[in-house]
Amino acid sequence: DAKTTQPPSMDCAEGRAANLPCNHSTISGNEYVYWYRQIHSQGPQYIIHGLKNNETNEMASLIITEDRKSSTLILPHATLRDTAVYYCIVRVEGGNNRLAFGKGNQVVVIP
Amino acid sequence: EPEVTQTPSHQVTQMGQEVILRCVPISNHLYFYWYRQILGQKVEFLVSFYNNEISEKSEIFDDQFSVERPDGSNFTLKIRSTKLEDSAMYFCAMQGPTEAFFGQGTRLTVV
Repeated sequence: DAKTTQPPSMDCAEGRAANLPCNHSTISGNEYVYWYRQIHSQGPQYIIHGLKNNETNEMASLIITEDRKSSTLILPHATLRDTAVYYCIVRVEGGNNRLAFGKGNQVVVIP
Repeated sequence: EPEVTQTPSHQVTQMGQEVILRCVPISNHLYFYWYRQILGQKVEFLVSFYNNEISEKSEIFDDQFSVERPDGSNFTLKIRSTKLEDSAMYFCAMQGPTEAFFGQGTRLTVV
C-alpha cells in the first residue's frame, strides 16, 4: 500500500551528488515525505523528512516541489557507505502511524 | 540517533517450536512496532503497540503471533508454532516525536 513511486535502482559516482527522485502524486495535506535507507539487511535508518519546505540535515537535503507531488533526496557527496536501498514514504508525522515500505531504490555508489 | 536493541541477533529454531524475540525500547517512547522482511522482499508491517495493547495489526499477524511488554520494559514478539515461511528478519521500531527508530533486527531461521 505504498503511495510513492521510485526507480528500482540507480548508480552514482563516489564523491558526486546523488539525486534520488520520488513521486507521490496522491499525497494528502497532512502527510509528510519521509526518507529511510536500509544498508544490507540492517534495520531501516531515518534520513530526513519534510512537509513542504526544503529540509537539510547532516545526512542529506530534501527538495519538495511546490505542488508536493514529487520530491528529491540529495546526498551531497556520495560515499561507498551510502550504497543502500532508499525508501521514500508518505505518512502523517508522529503518533501511531506505521511506515508502509515499498520496494525502494537500490542505490549503488561506484568508486 | 537513539539506539533500539534487539536480541538475539540470530536464532535458528525447528519448525513447530515457539520463539520469543526481544526488543529493549528507548525510554519515553510510547509507540512500538514489529516489522519483518523475508529475504529479498520488502519490509512488511506486522503490528503496532501502544499503551500496553495492540493498536493495529496486519493480515500477517495471525493467531500464531503475540506481543507484550511483560515487565514494562522489554517489548517481545512471540511466534507460537513456527513455520518455514516465518524465516525472515524481524525488526522492532519505536516511534519518536517525528521519526521512527529501528533495531538491527533478529534473523530467524526455521528449519
